[in-house]
Amino acid sequence: QKEVEQDPGPLSVPEGAIVSLNCTYSNSAFQYFMWYRQYSRKGPELLMYTYSSGNKEDGRFTAQVDKSSKYISLFIRDSQPSDSATYLCAMSAGAFGGYQKVTFGTGTKLQVIP
Amino acid sequence: EPEVTQTPSHQVTQMGQEVILRCVPISNHLYFYWYRQILGQKVEFLVSFYNNEISEKSEIFDDQFSVERPDGSNFTLKIRSTKLEDSAMYFCASNGYSYNEQFFGPGTRLTVL
Repeated sequence: QKEVEQDPGPLSVPEGAIVSLNCTYSNSAFQYFMWYRQYSRKGPELLMYTYSSGNKEDGRFTAQVDKSSKYISLFIRDSQPSDSATYLCAMSAGAFGGYQKVTFGTGTKLQVIP
Repeated sequence: EPEVTQTPSHQVTQMGQEVILRCVPISNHLYFYWYRQILGQKVEFLVSFYNNEISEKSEIFDDQFSVERPDGSNFTLKIRSTKLEDSAMYFCASNGYSYNEQFFGPGTRLTVL
């Protein structure tokens, strides 16, 4: 079983739709959960960062973590064509101080059609 | 806003040649990382570096790879004898002394011919 599983898509939605992106994981040691956005041939850009179970909202983005189910989600409201990118879920166990080796999902490619 | 920078953006080299990829992490960060992404695949951890030494490395990070922080700002990844399969995007990342966000650079695309 892979440590982090993510549907690669592609996912195509009309502009204004609500997008739901999901990941599951198997490693119970993961405590920190992130969503990155990656445009083609660019570096991952941090979107959301959460530590505990529950919801975290930032503008049109909501990150949800359910540690009991080992399941995380990212919701994008009122999706825009500029949201078209690959979305990577990522997580880490953390260790001493601020050290964190990040484990990524494969990424879901999202296309928002005008 | 502070950011991680990487040079060059694209490096083309012949198989067997040495390459050095350079990164300037965010200035007050203490933990430094290299990740690799082969085209169409996921981002994979290579190595982490803290307090002037490697703290963890993956199976990918064999004897052909080395990292160095030669001064207070630069962080380098050296591949001694490149192979075709080393062709990938290489990302540098850093974070500070707390469980906070890890920021990534724009990457260096390495092409080995």
